[in-house]
Amino acid sequence: AQSVAQPEDQVNVAEGNPLTVKCTYSVSGNPYLFWYVQYPNRGLQFLLKYITGDNLVKGSYGFEAEFNKSQTSFHLKKPSALVSDSALYFCAVRVITGANNLFFGTGTRLTVIP
Amino acid sequence: KAGVTQTPRYLIKTRGQQVTLSCSPISGHRSVSWYQQTPGQGLQFLFEYFSETQRNKGNFPGRFSGRQFSNSRSEMNVSTLELGDSALYLCASSSRDFISYEQYFGPGTRLTVT
Repeated sequence: AQSVAQPEDQVNVAEGNPLTVKCTYSVSGNPYLFWYVQYPNRGLQFLLKYITGDNLVKGSYGFEAEFNKSQTSFHLKKPSALVSDSALYFCAVRVITGANNLFFGTGTRLTVIP
Repeated sequence: KAGVTQTPRYLIKTRGQQVTLSCSPISGHRSVSWYQQTPGQGLQFLFEYFSETQRNKGNFPGRFSGRQFSNSRSEMNVSTLELGDSALYLCASSSRDFISYEQYFGPGTRLTVT
């Protein structure tokens, strides 16, 4: 069975500091991994994805994520946090076997403190 | 390109009624997926349509149904509404081979069942 875990419900970071939002996954095949961000009363916005190739993936708004196969992790990172980064972040996984829908984590609320 | 649009944005219904939600994907996108988002269950996959055919279905009762038209627009219907159906319903579209392509989400329809 496919699953995604985001172990932290809430992450607080000071503006200008680096941020990390954690994600681990469990799949039976090769994973396609995604990060989405949700602002209040809005749908989800795509940030970045890992399909294959370089383990470090760069995405929108200065975010990047590192795919670690041995640790089955796909943590989201940003070198310097902005107050405007405060939002709800979702990690998602998709596999090419069986149902090809996205499995989402429970979300991590990021608060950047001015 | 215009993004994914969903109508209506807000809806209030009473128990036992039925409701139809509409989604217009990004022009050229042929895959449309529906998700239910609630505070308790998070984001859960409902179903996915591609070229007017339902390809995948999540673990929801038969009261939840959908369809896709030849112009890729999609509707989902919920019959005999229950209080637990109150949620944000998100539609997402994807182009061509959806497996490795990211999904683009609409702003959602907020359904409240009283």
